[in-house]
Amino acid sequence: EDQVTQSPEALRLQEGESSSLNCSYTVSGLRGLFWYRQDPGKGPEFLFTLYSAGEEKEKERLKATLTKKESFLHITAPKPEDSATYLCAVQAGLVFGKGTKLTVNP
Amino acid sequence: DTGVSQDPRHKITKRGQNVTFRCDPISEHNRLYWYRQTLGQGPEFLTYFQNEAQLEKSRLLSDRFSAERPKGSFSTLEIQRTEQGDSAMYLCASSLDRSTDTQYFGPGTRLTVL
Repeated sequence: EDQVTQSPEALRLQEGESSSLNCSYTVSGLRGLFWYRQDPGKGPEFLFTLYSAGEEKEKERLKATLTKKESFLHITAPKPEDSATYLCAVQAGLVFGKGTKLTVNP
Repeated sequence: DTGVSQDPRHKITKRGQNVTFRCDPISEHNRLYWYRQTLGQGPEFLTYFQNEAQLEKSRLLSDRFSAERPKGSFSTLEIQRTEQGDSAMYLCASSLDRSTDTQYFGPGTRLTVL
C-alpha cells in the first residue's frame, strides 16, 4: 500500500529563517511526487512535480528535491505570506500526507 | 478564470437528505478526480474519470455515493441519505491524459451535515 509521511506536523519560523519540510514515501514504482500548498478553506495549489531521484525544481523561495525514499521542500528566507499547509502526494489517484502547517512570523 | 470550478462552495444539510455537487474541469483536461478532506488530514482519493468512463473507485466510496461525468466534461458527485460523518471538504481536480500528469484542484465544496 502506498504511504506518505510528512514531518514535522507543524513548524514555526521567524521571517528570514530558512528550513526544510520532509516527505517520506513508500510506493511500488513511483509515478510522480507532487507538492501542493493549501491555504485555510481553499483547494490545494500546485507547486512542483518530481519524477525521478536526483531531480530538483525551484520557484521563488521554494526548492523541492527528490531521493528514492523522500522529498524535501526547502524554504529560503521565508516571508509571512508563505504561511500555509504544505502537502506532499504520490501516484495518480493521489495519496497525500497529512501536511506540514507552516507559520512564518514577521 | 479558466481553472477548475466547483459548485456550491458551501452546503449545509440535515442528516438523511441527498446532496449533489458539481465540478467543471479545465477545458482540455480529460481526467477528473474527486477527493474528500477532513480537518487536519490530507485529501483522500474517492474516484476518477477518463473522459466519461469511471475507471477507479476507492473503498471510501460507499453505496450512498455516486459520481457521473455524462459527456466527459463536467462531473457530479451525489451523496444519498447523508450522515454526520459525511461532513468534509469535497475537492475536484483535473489533469490532461496520463496518470503522471499534474492534477489541478478546484476550491472545494464544504459540506456540513447537521
